[in-house]
Amino acid sequence: QKEVEQNSGPLSVPEGAIASLNCTYSDRGSQSFFWYRQYSGKSPELIMSIYSNGDKEDGRFTAQLNKASQYVSLLIRDSQPSDSATYLCAVIVSNFGNEKLTFGTGTRLTIIP
Amino acid sequence: EAGVTQFPSHSVIEKGQTVTLRCDPISGHDNLYWYRRVMGKEIKFLLHFVKESKQDESGMPNNRFLAERTGGTYSTLKVQPAELEDSGVYFCASSFRGTPLHFGNGTRLTVT
Repeated sequence: QKEVEQNSGPLSVPEGAIASLNCTYSDRGSQSFFWYRQYSGKSPELIMSIYSNGDKEDGRFTAQLNKASQYVSLLIRDSQPSDSATYLCAVIVSNFGNEKLTFGTGTRLTIIP
Repeated sequence: EAGVTQFPSHSVIEKGQTVTLRCDPISGHDNLYWYRRVMGKEIKFLLHFVKESKQDESGMPNNRFLAERTGGTYSTLKVQPAELEDSGVYFCASSFRGTPLHFGNGTRLTVT
Protein backbone atom coordinates (compact mmCIF):
# COMPACT_ATOMS: atom_id res chain seq x y z
CA GLN A 1 0.00 0.00 0.00
CA LYS A 2 1.32 3.43 -0.94
CA GLU A 3 1.83 5.86 1.91
CA VAL A 4 -0.14 8.60 0.14
CA GLU A 5 -2.63 7.81 -2.61
CA GLN A 6 -4.35 10.10 -5.07
CA ASN A 7 -6.36 9.58 -8.21
CA SER A 8 -3.96 10.68 -10.95
CA GLY A 9 -6.79 11.98 -13.14
CA PRO A 10 -6.98 13.80 -15.38
CA LEU A 11 -9.91 15.57 -13.76
CA SER A 12 -11.83 18.01 -15.96
CA VAL A 13 -14.14 20.59 -14.41
CA PRO A 14 -16.11 23.38 -16.12
CA GLU A 15 -15.12 26.94 -15.28
CA GLY A 16 -17.08 28.21 -12.29
CA ALA A 17 -17.81 24.74 -10.89
CA ILE A 18 -16.37 23.11 -7.78
CA ALA A 19 -13.30 20.92 -8.22
CA SER A 20 -12.91 18.15 -5.63
CA LEU A 21 -9.56 16.46 -5.10
CA ASN A 22 -9.12 13.48 -2.79
CA CYS A 23 -6.25 11.83 -0.98
CA THR A 24 -5.86 8.92 1.44
CA TYR A 25 -2.87 8.08 3.60
CA SER A 26 -1.70 4.98 5.40
CA ASP A 27 0.17 6.27 8.48
CA ARG A 28 -2.49 6.61 11.17
CA GLY A 29 -0.10 8.68 13.28
CA SER A 30 0.29 11.45 10.70
CA GLN A 31 -0.58 14.89 12.04
CA SER A 32 0.35 17.31 9.25
CA PHE A 33 -1.20 17.47 5.80
CA PHE A 34 -0.55 19.74 2.87
CA TRP A 35 -1.78 20.49 -0.61
CA TYR A 36 0.72 21.72 -3.17
CA ARG A 37 -0.02 23.02 -6.65
CA GLN A 38 2.46 22.39 -9.43
CA TYR A 39 2.26 24.03 -12.83
CA SER A 40 3.99 22.23 -15.67
CA GLY A 41 7.75 22.72 -15.48
CA LYS A 42 7.53 24.60 -12.19
CA SER A 43 8.19 23.73 -8.55
CA PRO A 44 5.47 22.66 -6.10
CA GLU A 45 3.81 25.64 -4.42
CA LEU A 46 2.13 25.28 -1.03
CA ILE A 47 -1.54 26.31 -1.14
CA MET A 48 -3.05 24.76 1.99
CA SER A 49 -1.96 23.11 5.22
CA ILE A 50 -4.28 21.39 7.69
CA TYR A 51 -3.58 19.77 11.04
CA SER A 52 -6.96 19.24 12.73
CA ASN A 53 -10.09 17.33 11.79
CA GLY A 54 -12.67 19.38 9.93
CA ASP A 55 -12.57 22.08 7.32
CA LYS A 56 -10.11 24.89 6.74
CA GLU A 57 -11.01 27.62 4.28
CA ASP A 58 -8.72 30.08 2.50
CA GLY A 59 -10.36 32.09 -0.24
CA ARG A 60 -11.70 29.74 -2.90
CA PHE A 61 -9.86 26.77 -1.36
CA THR A 62 -11.17 24.49 1.40
CA ALA A 63 -9.14 21.63 2.84
CA GLN A 64 -11.00 18.87 4.68
CA LEU A 65 -9.39 16.36 7.03
CA ASN A 66 -10.85 13.18 8.52
CA LYS A 67 -8.21 11.38 10.55
CA ALA A 68 -10.50 8.48 11.43
CA SER A 69 -10.95 7.71 7.74
CA GLN A 70 -7.36 8.75 6.91
CA TYR A 71 -8.71 11.01 4.24
CA VAL A 72 -7.88 14.57 3.21
CA SER A 73 -9.49 16.53 0.40
CA LEU A 74 -9.24 19.87 -1.36
CA LEU A 75 -12.21 21.75 -2.76
CA ILE A 76 -11.74 24.61 -5.21
CA ARG A 77 -14.83 26.79 -5.59
CA ASP A 78 -15.56 28.95 -8.64
CA SER A 79 -12.84 27.14 -10.62
CA GLN A 80 -10.79 29.30 -12.95
CA PRO A 81 -8.67 28.28 -15.96
CA SER A 82 -5.62 29.41 -13.97
CA ASP A 83 -6.39 26.61 -11.49
CA SER A 84 -5.40 24.06 -14.14
CA ALA A 85 -2.35 22.31 -12.67
CA THR A 86 -1.28 19.15 -10.88
CA TYR A 87 -2.33 19.09 -7.23
CA LEU A 88 -0.08 17.16 -4.88
CA CYS A 89 -1.25 15.79 -1.55
CA ALA A 90 1.59 15.58 0.98
CA VAL A 91 1.67 14.07 4.44
CA ILE A 92 4.29 14.10 7.17
CA VAL A 93 5.10 10.42 7.67
CA SER A 94 7.13 9.24 10.67
CA ASN A 95 9.70 6.53 10.12
CA PHE A 96 11.79 5.41 13.11
CA GLY A 97 11.66 8.86 14.63
CA ASN A 98 12.38 10.70 11.40
CA GLU A 99 9.62 12.75 9.89
CA LYS A 100 9.52 13.32 6.19
CA LEU A 101 7.10 14.92 3.79
CA THR A 102 5.70 12.18 1.56
CA PHE A 103 3.87 12.97 -1.66
CA GLY A 104 1.13 11.31 -3.62
CA THR A 105 1.47 11.02 -7.39
CA GLY A 106 -0.66 14.13 -7.89
CA THR A 107 -3.99 14.76 -9.62
CA ARG A 108 -3.93 16.62 -12.91
CA LEU A 109 -6.80 19.13 -12.95
CA THR A 110 -8.03 20.88 -16.09
CA ILE A 111 -10.57 23.70 -15.88
CA ILE A 112 -12.56 23.94 -19.09
CA PRO A 113 -13.54 27.52 -20.10
CA GLU B 1 12.88 37.31 1.00
CA ALA B 2 14.79 35.22 -1.53
CA GLY B 3 13.36 31.76 -2.09
CA VAL B 4 15.12 28.43 -2.45
CA THR B 5 17.45 28.60 -5.41
CA GLN B 6 18.84 25.70 -7.36
CA PHE B 7 21.62 25.54 -9.93
CA PRO B 8 21.76 24.55 -12.71
CA SER B 9 18.18 24.61 -13.94
CA HIS B 10 19.00 22.03 -16.60
CA SER B 11 21.86 19.59 -17.06
CA VAL B 12 22.45 17.12 -19.87
CA ILE B 13 25.29 14.67 -19.34
CA GLU B 14 26.40 11.36 -20.75
CA LYS B 15 26.19 8.10 -18.87
CA GLY B 16 29.25 7.66 -16.70
CA GLN B 17 29.87 11.38 -16.20
CA THR B 18 29.60 13.27 -12.94
CA VAL B 19 27.12 16.02 -12.15
CA THR B 20 26.85 18.24 -9.09
CA LEU B 21 23.61 19.99 -8.23
CA ARG B 22 23.52 22.92 -5.84
CA CYS B 23 20.80 24.21 -3.55
CA ASP B 24 20.73 27.45 -1.59
CA PRO B 25 17.95 27.31 1.02
CA ILE B 26 16.05 30.26 2.40
CA SER B 27 18.29 32.08 4.87
CA GLY B 28 17.79 30.80 8.41
CA HIS B 29 16.14 27.54 7.40
CA ASP B 30 17.82 24.71 9.29
CA ASN B 31 16.01 21.97 7.42
CA LEU B 32 17.05 21.17 3.87
CA TYR B 33 15.58 18.36 1.81
CA TRP B 34 16.33 16.79 -1.54
CA TYR B 35 13.54 15.20 -3.54
CA ARG B 36 13.46 13.68 -7.01
CA ARG B 37 10.69 13.23 -9.56
CA VAL B 38 11.24 10.65 -12.24
CA MET B 39 8.97 10.91 -15.29
CA GLY B 40 5.46 9.70 -14.49
CA LYS B 41 6.19 8.91 -10.87
CA GLU B 42 5.56 10.73 -7.60
CA ILE B 43 8.01 13.13 -6.02
CA LYS B 44 10.25 10.94 -3.86
CA PHE B 45 12.23 11.87 -0.77
CA LEU B 46 16.00 11.48 -1.01
CA LEU B 47 17.41 12.95 2.19
CA HIS B 48 17.04 15.52 4.93
CA PHE B 49 19.66 17.75 6.53
CA VAL B 50 19.26 19.55 9.82
CA LYS B 51 21.92 22.21 9.62
CA GLU B 52 25.01 20.31 8.47
CA SER B 53 23.92 16.89 9.77
CA LYS B 54 22.19 14.22 7.72
CA GLN B 55 18.99 13.52 9.65
CA ASP B 56 17.60 10.95 7.26
CA GLU B 57 19.16 9.63 4.06
CA SER B 58 16.89 6.62 3.66
CA GLY B 59 15.73 7.74 0.23
CA MET B 60 19.14 7.91 -1.41
CA PRO B 61 19.03 5.37 -4.27
CA ASN B 62 22.59 4.04 -3.97
CA ASN B 63 26.17 5.04 -3.24
CA ARG B 64 26.52 6.88 -6.54
CA PHE B 65 24.69 9.74 -4.84
CA LEU B 66 26.52 11.94 -2.34
CA ALA B 67 24.97 14.91 -0.60
CA GLU B 68 26.80 17.45 1.52
CA ARG B 69 25.89 20.56 3.44
CA THR B 70 29.11 21.97 4.77
CA GLY B 71 28.60 24.76 7.27
CA GLY B 72 24.87 24.21 7.30
CA THR B 73 24.19 26.64 4.49
CA TYR B 74 24.01 25.52 0.86
CA SER B 75 23.94 21.88 -0.15
CA THR B 76 25.30 19.91 -3.06
CA LEU B 77 24.11 16.62 -4.50
CA LYS B 78 26.67 14.80 -6.61
CA VAL B 79 25.88 11.88 -8.87
CA GLN B 80 28.95 9.87 -9.87
CA PRO B 81 28.90 8.04 -12.23
CA ALA B 82 25.51 8.99 -13.65
CA GLU B 83 23.24 6.30 -15.08
CA LEU B 84 20.27 6.62 -17.44
CA GLU B 85 17.76 5.97 -14.64
CA ASP B 86 19.06 9.00 -12.75
CA SER B 87 17.25 11.29 -15.21
CA GLY B 88 14.51 13.35 -13.61
CA VAL B 89 13.85 16.60 -11.82
CA TYR B 90 15.71 17.10 -8.56
CA PHE B 91 13.99 19.44 -6.13
CA CYS B 92 15.45 21.04 -3.06
CA ALA B 93 13.25 22.35 -0.28
CA SER B 94 13.86 24.09 3.00
CA SER B 95 11.92 24.82 6.15
CA PHE B 96 12.31 26.26 9.62
CA ARG B 97 11.38 24.04 12.56
CA GLY B 98 8.30 22.20 11.33
CA THR B 99 6.93 24.93 9.09
CA PRO B 100 5.82 23.88 5.60
CA LEU B 101 8.49 23.21 3.02
CA HIS B 102 9.36 25.78 0.38
CA PHE B 103 10.62 24.30 -2.87
CA GLY B 104 13.17 25.50 -5.37
CA ASN B 105 12.47 25.43 -9.09
CA GLY B 106 14.33 22.15 -9.49
CA THR B 107 17.16 20.91 -11.66
CA ARG B 108 16.15 18.87 -14.69
CA LEU B 109 18.82 16.21 -15.18
CA THR B 110 19.00 14.27 -18.42
CA VAL B 111 21.47 11.41 -18.70
CA THR B 112 22.01 10.20 -22.26
